[in-house]
Amino acid sequence: NAGVTQTPKFRVLKTGQSMTLLCAQDMNHEYMYWYRQDPGMGLRLIHYSVGEGTTAKGEVPDGYNVSRLKKQNFLLGLESAAPSQTSVYFCASSFSPILVQMGEAFFGQGTRLTVV
Amino acid sequence: KQEVTQIPAALSVPEGENLVLNCSFTDSAIYNLQWFRQDPGKGLTSLLLIQSSQREQTSGRLNASLDKSSGRSTLYIAASQPGDSATYLCAVRSPSGSARQLTFGSGTQLTVLP
Repeated sequence: NAGVTQTPKFRVLKTGQSMTLLCAQDMNHEYMYWYRQDPGMGLRLIHYSVGEGTTAKGEVPDGYNVSRLKKQNFLLGLESAAPSQTSVYFCASSFSPILVQMGEAFFGQGTRLTVV
Repeated sequence: KQEVTQIPAALSVPEGENLVLNCSFTDSAIYNLQWFRQDPGKGLTSLLLIQSSQREQTSGRLNASLDKSSGRSTLYIAASQPGDSATYLCAVRSPSGSARQLTFGSGTQLTVLP
């Protein structure tokens, strides 16, 4: 059971380049999330999905796009990378928290992205 | 909007001490609260999940309590060890918004000195 797997683990981009981060989970979770973690600012939600084919904006969505074509995968795209997008990106997944005794969130190991 | 605060931001204790980490949240309407551990340069490891209907959860030397009415949770670590050194994050799952997202505190950086 792999849990939540993120690829790649590290990446360096030049300003203006694009890239896609992949998150895969094998727990049949409906909910998937992309967070970014910056020093002194904690984890902030970028985009999320409550099921296959659905996506929505979180707290800091600008400059990012997402897609959830398959239930197990959640992709985060950077259209034109900027130095302000230098961060550590975390993907998470869970069942609906409405279900009692469920709703525990599981996180991937993170992607460290540097934009120069 | 839910806000989560963790105090202190950093804590240093000698090995063997019992310690308490604090987490407070502004909106008591929550589904659950989750404590995580994060080692430097690593991901988040789930430690304990407390449902809104529960008062506490225990796992080994860790005990987490929840007082929903006062908007507080504590993580108690018994007989601390140097291997417990890490950043501890609490996160609250709230009904507000369709995301039912986790709202995180900024974490407490714990150092256990040998």
